Amino acid sequence: QQQVKQSPQSLIVQKGGISIINCAYENTAFDYFPWYQQFPGKGPALLIAIRPDVSEKKEGRFTISFNKSAKQFSLHIMDSQPGDSATYFCAASKGGGNKLVFGAGTILRVKS
Amino acid sequence: DAGITQSPRHKVTETGTPVTLRCHQTENHRYMYWYRQDPGHGLRLIHYSYGVKDTDKGEVSDGYSVSRSKTEDFLLTLESATSSQTSVYFCAISGSGGPQVYGYTFGSGTRLTVV
Repeated sequence: QQQVKQSPQSLIVQKGGISIINCAYENTAFDYFPWYQQFPGKGPALLIAIRPDVSEKKEGRFTISFNKSAKQFSLHIMDSQPGDSATYFCAASKGGGNKLVFGAGTILRVKS
Repeated sequence: DAGITQSPRHKVTETGTPVTLRCHQTENHRYMYWYRQDPGHGLRLIHYSYGVKDTDKGEVSDGYSVSRSKTEDFLLTLESATSSQTSVYFCAISGSGGPQVYGYTFGSGTRLTVV
C-alpha cells in the first residue's frame, strides 16, 4: 500500500509544453513534500519542496501546487525541454520525521 | 555523487548466497538510508540509521540486515539472496536536521541481479 500515490506513470510532452505530474496522500501528519528528479544511471536529486502553509512554490520553470483540503500536490514544468526528460518522484515526510516516503515515479519524455 | 559512494556498482550473484553492499560518505552526516528502486514501486525504504549503531527498519526490511559501526559507512546485507531482491539499491544521506532541512543526497546506486 503506497502512502503517496503518483500519476501518471509516464508522460510524453512536446518541447515548450507544460508537464504536469500529480500526487495524493492520506496521512494528514505529512508536512513536507519534496520532488526529486532522476536521470538514467544516476541517483535522484532534490528538485523543489513545499510545506502545507503555502499553496504554491515556484523555482524557475518548476512549480509545486499544493491543495491541503484535497490532500494533493502537483509538479508543473513550464516550457518543457528535452533536458527535462527524466524520472520524477514525489515524496512526503511527517512533522519532525527523518525519512521520506516516495511515490512510484513518473517517466517524463520531452519530444523535440 | 560527491560525498557519497556506493560499491559495487554492479553485481550478479546466485540465489542463496549472502551479499553485502557498501555505502561510504565523507559528509559526516547523521542519517543514512538504504532504498530499493523497482518499476511501479518507486523508492522503498529498507533500513535507515540515525547514528553509529543506531538503526531501524523501513517498509521492506525482510531478508535484509544493516550495520553502521562508523559514521561514514553503512552496510546492507542480503542474508540469503533471492530473485525478488533483484533491484537497484540506493544509499542516501541527510544532515542532522533530517530531510526536511537538508533533503537527501543519493549515491549512484548498485544494480544487483540474483540468478
